[in-house]
Formats: sequence, structure tokens, C-alpha cells
Amino acid sequence: AQSVTQLDSHVSVSEGTPVLLRCNYSSSYSPSLFWYVQHPNKGLQLLLKYTSAATLVKGINGFEAEFKKSETSFHLTKPSAHMSDAAEYFCVVSGGTASKLTFGTGTRLQVTL
Amino acid sequence: KAGVTQTPRYLIKTRGQQVTLSCSPISGHRSVSWYQQTPGQGLQFLFEYFSETQRNKGNFPGRFSGRQFSNSRSEMNVSTLELGDSALYLCASSSAGSREETQYFGPGTRLLVL
Repeated sequence: AQSVTQLDSHVSVSEGTPVLLRCNYSSSYSPSLFWYVQHPNKGLQLLLKYTSAATLVKGINGFEAEFKKSETSFHLTKPSAHMSDAAEYFCVVSGGTASKLTFGTGTRLQVTL
Repeated sequence: KAGVTQTPRYLIKTRGQQVTLSCSPISGHRSVSWYQQTPGQGLQFLFEYFSETQRNKGNFPGRFSGRQFSNSRSEMNVSTLELGDSALYLCASSSAGSREETQYFGPGTRLLVL
């Protein structure tokens, strides 16, 4: 079985400051981990994924995440927030042998001027 | 390549009715998964189809069913609708449905049950 816990339901940052969205995971398997973003009234867009290659994963729009097995964490970061980053972010783990995705509860990122 | 498309985008139904949602995957993708998104329960996996066979199923009642056609297009059906079925229904496609693959999501169908 697998699960993810997003530690913050809401994060607010000022434009130009760093972003940190926290995610812990639990998995019976060597996990595949993803971060997806959902803008209002839109579908889900993949930001980045980890599939047992490099532990530091770079994604789109300047986001990156580091897989830390010892801490069972996969936190999402960005050096400098932009107003367009305001959205809901989901940390996701993939199932054992097939593509069933288990989603975290989401973190709403607010970016202020 | 065209992305995942879902029709219709919006639906309003009344309790007791049934509804059919459609999903066309990215060309060449054979795996289609369905998810339900609600404010209370978040995003939950409904089922996955691969090569016209249901391969995975989530914890939803039998009122929720689906199928996949030979061209990989998929439909989802909900019978005897309940108010709690109001949700955004998302489908996602991937090439073979392995756990390392990226799933590409459609824009969703928003269902409102009155």
C-alpha cells in the first residue's frame, strides 16, 4: 500500500521569495513520485517526477524536488515565486506494478505582491 | 499530439438518473484511468483500463462502471446518481500504464447532481 501526506494545506509567499511545499510518502515498493499542479478550473499538469534515477529532480517552470529515502520525503521547491505559480499542488505516489495514482490532499499556494 | 479530451465538459443531472462520460486518450496510449475529485474526499482513483480490460479498480460502489473500446477511447457510467456524485471527473492516459510513466490528464467533466 502507498500513501502521501502533504504537510501544509495552504502556503502563502511573497512574489520573488522561495517556495517550499512539503510531502512525505509511504510505499511498500520502491516508489515513483510525482508533483502535479492544478490551476483553477483546469486539469492536472505534471511538474516533475522521480522514478529511481537522480534524487534531485528538475521540473518545469523552475520547480525541483529532492527524493530523500531516509526521511521518506519529496519536497517541492522553487527559488523565486511568481504570481502565475498560484495554484493547487498535489504530491502523488504510483502503485506497485500499475498506474494507480494515490494523491495527497493538496497544498494551495498563494503568491502575494 | 493532441492531448486527452473529455466530453462533455459540464453536466447537470438529477438524482436517480444515469450519466455517461467519455474520454479520448492521447494517440498511441493504451491505458486510461479515471479519477473523481471532490472538495471533501480529494482525488480518488476509480479504475484503469488497458487494452479493453479493467486492470485496476478503486473503492467505489458498483454504480460506477466503465469500459474501453478497441481504439482506446473510454467511457465511464454512473447509474442511479446520488447528490454525493457531484464532482469533477478526470481521466488520464499513459502509454502502457506502468507505474513509472507519466499520466496525462484531461480537463475533466464537471458533474452536478441536483
